[in-house]
Amino acid sequence: AQTVTQSQPEMSVQEAETVTLSCTYDTSESDYYLFWYKQPPSRQMILVIRQEAYKQQNATENRFSVNFQKAAKSFSLKISDSQLGDAAMYFCAYKIGAGSYQLTFGKGTKLSVIP
Amino acid sequence: EPEVTQTPSHQVTQMGQEVILRCVPISNHLYFYWYRQILGQKVEFLVSFYNNEISEKSEIFDDQFSVERPDGSNFTLKIRSTKLEDSAMYFCASSEPYRSETQYFGPGTRLLVL
Repeated sequence: AQTVTQSQPEMSVQEAETVTLSCTYDTSESDYYLFWYKQPPSRQMILVIRQEAYKQQNATENRFSVNFQKAAKSFSLKISDSQLGDAAMYFCAYKIGAGSYQLTFGKGTKLSVIP
Repeated sequence: EPEVTQTPSHQVTQMGQEVILRCVPISNHLYFYWYRQILGQKVEFLVSFYNNEISEKSEIFDDQFSVERPDGSNFTLKIRSTKLEDSAMYFCASSEPYRSETQYFGPGTRLLVL
C-alpha cells in the first residue's frame, strides 16, 4: 500500500521569506502523480501544484515550486516570498497513474506566517 | 473560475438518522469523488464514481453509505444510519475527462452526529 509521510507537523516562516515543506512517499509504482493541496482555516482544499512522476523537470506555479527526487521518493514544496495568506495546512498527496482513482494524503503540515 | 460546490456547509444530526450531503461538481467533469476528514486526521478516500456507477471504494465505504447522481448536475452522498464516528468534514471532488488524476475539491460539509 502506498503511504505518504509529512514529518513536520508545524512550520513557521517570516513574511517575505522562503520555507520548504517536506514530503516522502512509498510506492512500488513507476507511473504516479504527486500533489500539494492547501487547506486554509475555511477548510476548503485548494490544489497548489502537481507533478507527474515521468517528468524530470520540477513543477512551478508562481511562488510555489517543488523539489521532486524520484529515487529518494521525496517531494518537497518550496514557498518563496511567503505571504500572510499562505498560512494554512498543507497536504501532500499521491495518486497512482492507472488502476485507481484515490488520492492518498499525508497528515499535513501547519504553516504559520509571521508578520 | 468554475468551482465544486457543496451543501449544506454544516449539518447536525442525531445518531441513527439518515443524512444526504449534496455536491455540484464542475460542469464538464465526469469523475466524482467523496473524501472525509475526521478532525485532526488525514483526508481519507471514500468512493469514486464514473458513468453512473461506483468505480472504486475504500473499506470505509460500507453498506451504510451510498452515492447517487440523481440528475445532470448533483452528486450526493447518503449515510443511512449515522454513527457518532461519522462526525467529520466530507469533501466532494471532481476531475476532468482524460485528466482524472487532478481532483478539484469543494469547500466541504461539516457533519456532526450527536
